[in-house]
Amino acid sequence: EAGVAQSPRYKIIEKRQSVAFWCNPISGHATLYWYQQILGQGPKLLIQFQNNGVVDDSQLPKDRFSAERLKGVDSTLKIQPAKLEDSAVYLCASSLDWDRRTGKVRGYTFGSGTRLTVV
Amino acid sequence: QKEVEQNSGPLSVPEGAIASLNCTYSDRGSQSFFWYRQYSGKSPELIMSIYSNGDKEDGRFTAQLNKASQYVSLLIRDSQPSDSATYLCAVKHFGNEKLTFGTGTRLTIIP
Repeated sequence: EAGVAQSPRYKIIEKRQSVAFWCNPISGHATLYWYQQILGQGPKLLIQFQNNGVVDDSQLPKDRFSAERLKGVDSTLKIQPAKLEDSAVYLCASSLDWDRRTGKVRGYTFGSGTRLTVV
Repeated sequence: QKEVEQNSGPLSVPEGAIASLNCTYSDRGSQSFFWYRQYSGKSPELIMSIYSNGDKEDGRFTAQLNKASQYVSLLIRDSQPSDSATYLCAVKHFGNEKLTFGTGTRLTIIP
């Protein structure tokens, strides 16, 4: 089974520039997540998609961040304009439907991430 | 108060000894608990999940859950240098698929 694909692996931009990250989840996984991991911290959820609909974007800085998942497969996360504090690894993860009765997640796999440096 | 708290470490353990990692969470509605291992420069990988009070063993790993105390732990027996990594505790509230992560504990196994 192919894993979660992300690109690019690394990106260096100047502050106030824009940047976009791409994610292709595991085939058949309905739920897709974007996490931000700042150095020395745990991953923080930015946005969660169920198919092509947004389930949770409460921690997404909407003045500068946007995300879409057209056709319920690939997803793009964009930052415009970037700030120095956006320097982090952006992780995409996907999962199958889960069992609502037991609360058991059947699969939650991370991609290799995109390391963003804003200078 | 943070939703998921871990001691950031670093935690140093001699090779062959037992490494004990701890995690507390604040939301009593939490139903599912996970331990992820993250090597430097790599993405997190799931190593254990636990849903019921008590112990769950998988090879050298044992997860322990005490919902009354809102406490989750991970024991690594016969620690190996390859176990050196950051261990992330993650919690999921029933009815919501998102995971909330702690800051992670950095573990170093000393040969």
